[in-house]
Amino acid sequence: DAGVTQSPTHLIKTRGQQVTLRCSPKSGHDTVSWYQQALGQGPQFIFQYYEEEERQRGNFPDRFSGHQFPNYSSELNVNALLLGDSALYLCASSLIMANTGELFFGEGSRLTVL
Amino acid sequence: SQQGEEDPQALSIQEGENATMNCSYKTSINNLQWYRQNSGRGLVHLILIRSNEREKHSGRLRVTLDTSKKSSSLLITASRAADTASYFCATDARDYKLSFGAGTTVTVRA
Repeated sequence: DAGVTQSPTHLIKTRGQQVTLRCSPKSGHDTVSWYQQALGQGPQFIFQYYEEEERQRGNFPDRFSGHQFPNYSSELNVNALLLGDSALYLCASSLIMANTGELFFGEGSRLTVL
Repeated sequence: SQQGEEDPQALSIQEGENATMNCSYKTSINNLQWYRQNSGRGLVHLILIRSNEREKHSGRLRVTLDTSKKSSSLLITASRAADTASYFCATDARDYKLSFGAGTTVTVRA
């Protein structure tokens, strides 16, 4: 049973560039959430996707956008990268009908912006 | 801003000792969860306690919840080197997201 998979695991970008991060949820899960974790901090909620729609959004600018595909996989896009966007980006999946709120996390994509 | 605040920020204990960390939060919750993170990797769910529960056990883990004080504690008994990690509390307020604290870094010395 494959867990949550994310790609790429590491990447380096320069200021002003754009980045796309990808996530495949755990088998059977239909909901994908994205979190940003800066060094030494806890994860911060970016947004959640269910049925290909953004259901909830955290306090992040419009430079952060996402998408969910019919197979439940998801992408996170960040435009006009800033130095402060350097962080570990975590994808988490869940099953909405489980109604427990428990999240299953991937290993993350570590983004460095120079 | 973060909903939960863990205390202490860091904890160093000897193998075999117990580790206790606390979490305080600000708003009403549906449930509270604890996660573990090893060396900046993905988070692993440890235990969930619902707002109408006061205590829960899972293996060497014991979680308490006091909704009147908006606080929770996580106890790890008989710690092992493999317990070295960062521990995060996360609150679920039925708003489609978990709100995490800044975490407690636990180091278990052999």
